[in-house]
Amino acid sequence: EAQVTQNPRYLITVTGKKLTVTCSQNMNHEYMSWYRQDPGLGLRQIYYSMNVEVTDKGDVPEGYKVSRKEKRNFPLILESPSPNQTSLYFCASSLRRLAGASYEQYFGPGTRLTVT
Amino acid sequence: AQSVTQLDSHVSVSEGTPVLLRCNYSSSYSPSLFWYVQHPNKGLQLLLKYTSAATLVKGINGFEAEFKKSETSFHLTKPSAHMSDAAEYFCVVSVNYGQNFVFGPGTRLSVLP
Repeated sequence: EAQVTQNPRYLITVTGKKLTVTCSQNMNHEYMSWYRQDPGLGLRQIYYSMNVEVTDKGDVPEGYKVSRKEKRNFPLILESPSPNQTSLYFCASSLRRLAGASYEQYFGPGTRLTVT
Repeated sequence: AQSVTQLDSHVSVSEGTPVLLRCNYSSSYSPSLFWYVQHPNKGLQLLLKYTSAATLVKGINGFEAEFKKSETSFHLTKPSAHMSDAAEYFCVVSVNYGQNFVFGPGTRLSVLP
């Protein structure tokens, strides 16, 4: 089954304790992205990757890191989490845009993170 | 900067009546546009997409959207609401030649019996 998986699904942690949220896709997609969802704000892009070893900042990158060493994996790293990073996080993947149109993104189930 | 406006944060309709969820966008070039649905405590599912082909786009579960370039709009419609349509709906525009996706703030649809 074609899918994007995220782990963990739920995480409660304390301020300053480094954590990693994993994301993996089995569709051979070039493009992967991380979003956070907060009430009334929709989803905001944190980081994205156009391909292996190619990553770039989205709209809200502060406090986050990513890496893309393999095509299928795109982990999100919070080196020193703070309470304002409490949110619902989604990973997504898609084929890379070709001339003329973008492809739709496929989303993971989400990771609900609470930082106390 | 590109942006997406969803004009209603909450829409309430009766079962069997039409649904209209409004979306306006700003983009410096002809964009790709998407509607996603998120049911409570679930992930996001693609309803439909516009990618410069037909301006009237049909999606899943009876939803449609019409791309109107002159109005910079991409409103979502459905002729007859069903209870299972109650969810949050997001309008999304692809920007920077497909490198980024900008989400609207969402419209929560309630369907009354």
